[in-house]
Formats: sequence, structure tokens, C-alpha cells
Amino acid sequence: DAMVIQNPRYQVTQFGKPVTLSCSQTLNHNVMYWYQQKSSQAPKLLFHYYDKDFNNEADTPDNFQSRRPNTSFCFLDIRSPGLGDAAMYLCATSRSGGMPNSPLHFGNGTRLTVT
Amino acid sequence: AQTVTQSQPEMSVQEAETVTLSCTYDTSENNYYLFWYKQPPSRQMILVIRQEAYKQQNATENRFSVNFQKAAKSFSLKISDSQLGDTAMYFCAFMNNAGNMLTFGGGTRLMVKP
Repeated sequence: DAMVIQNPRYQVTQFGKPVTLSCSQTLNHNVMYWYQQKSSQAPKLLFHYYDKDFNNEADTPDNFQSRRPNTSFCFLDIRSPGLGDAAMYLCATSRSGGMPNSPLHFGNGTRLTVT
Repeated sequence: AQTVTQSQPEMSVQEAETVTLSCTYDTSENNYYLFWYKQPPSRQMILVIRQEAYKQQNATENRFSVNFQKAAKSFSLKISDSQLGDTAMYFCAFMNNAGNMLTFGGGTRLMVKP
């Protein structure tokens, strides 16, 4: 059973054309993350939501935004994609605040191509 | 800030043999969590094994075990009886005590050869 679901699996967008990636979860985890992963590199954290609180990484470009309308859904908006934004985007969730904290559960990722 | 270092970009092992992947980290926290994640080619990142820093006993999951040395800030992964399906990128990861920050190492690409 899929627990962290990312749609679409593959996304192609044009240079400068806004694009939205979506993530949903059935785990009822309170923390949701967006990571960017380029080829053969480690995932890089863009931001995360701790419940409703948005936490942006200091080096995440302003071009990247996120929304979490409810516990189950989280969106990544790229306002003006550049060629350098082509990557795999990973959504993950975790349960935090209890002991022990849970590990992160990842979705399958969305591979973004910018033409 | 925490850092995680994997000093072996690539490794290979013969099927049925044992291989150890290295990981070191740096933190000022006393309590935290450590993980090894596996990412097969074009597939989902999945959890292999976890270790709570307050537990002295090394974690074991079937063919996977860790050697956790808290004083040395070392967290290596041992894969016994390697199988072809173990071929993947392996990421060591550190989670802070608050549970809201996961930092990855650079990864080790493991190839299991028949």
C-alpha cells in the first residue's frame, strides 16, 4: 500500500513556466519534507512543514515555494523553472514529537525535466 | 549544524560476500538518530536500518547490521551474504533529537557482482 504518493511520476515543463508537484500521505505524519536530488547526489532539503509551521532552508531559492493545505497534502511550486532545476524531487514524511521519532518515509519522487 | 560523511563513493562486492560501508558524522547533540537508506536505480528511497544514539546495542535487520561507535561518531553498515538486489546507492543519514531535520551523507554506490 502506497503511503507517500507523489504525482506525477514524471513532469516536463518549459523554461520559465510555473509547475506544481504534489505529495499526499496516508500515514498521518505531522512533518512533511521536500528534497531536491540531482543525479548521483544526496538529497538536498528545500523546506519542511512541522504541522502547519513552514521551515525554509537558508539556501533554498525564492523560486521554490510550498503549500500544505491540510495534514495529508503538500505541494511544491516552482515559479519560474530554470534548466538547473531539473532534478528528482522527493517528498517525505515523519512523525515527530514522540519518542522515538520515526524515520522518514519517502515517496517515489517526481522527475522534473525543464526544456 | 550536523554533517555526515561517506568516504567511499563507490564499492563493489561479490555475490554472497560481506561488505562494510563507512559513515562518520559530526554533531554537538547527545541524543539523535542514525539511519541507512537504500535507493535502487530509479526507485524509491527505502529505510534499511535505524539506530537510536541512546541505545548502546548495535541494530540488526536480517543481513544488515551496524557498528555504532558513539564516541568516534562512526556508523558503518555491514551487509552479509550480499545479493544482486542489494545493488543501489546507500545513504547514511542523521536525524536531530527534535526529529525535524534529516541530513544525508553523499552516498555510496554499491555494486553486487554475480
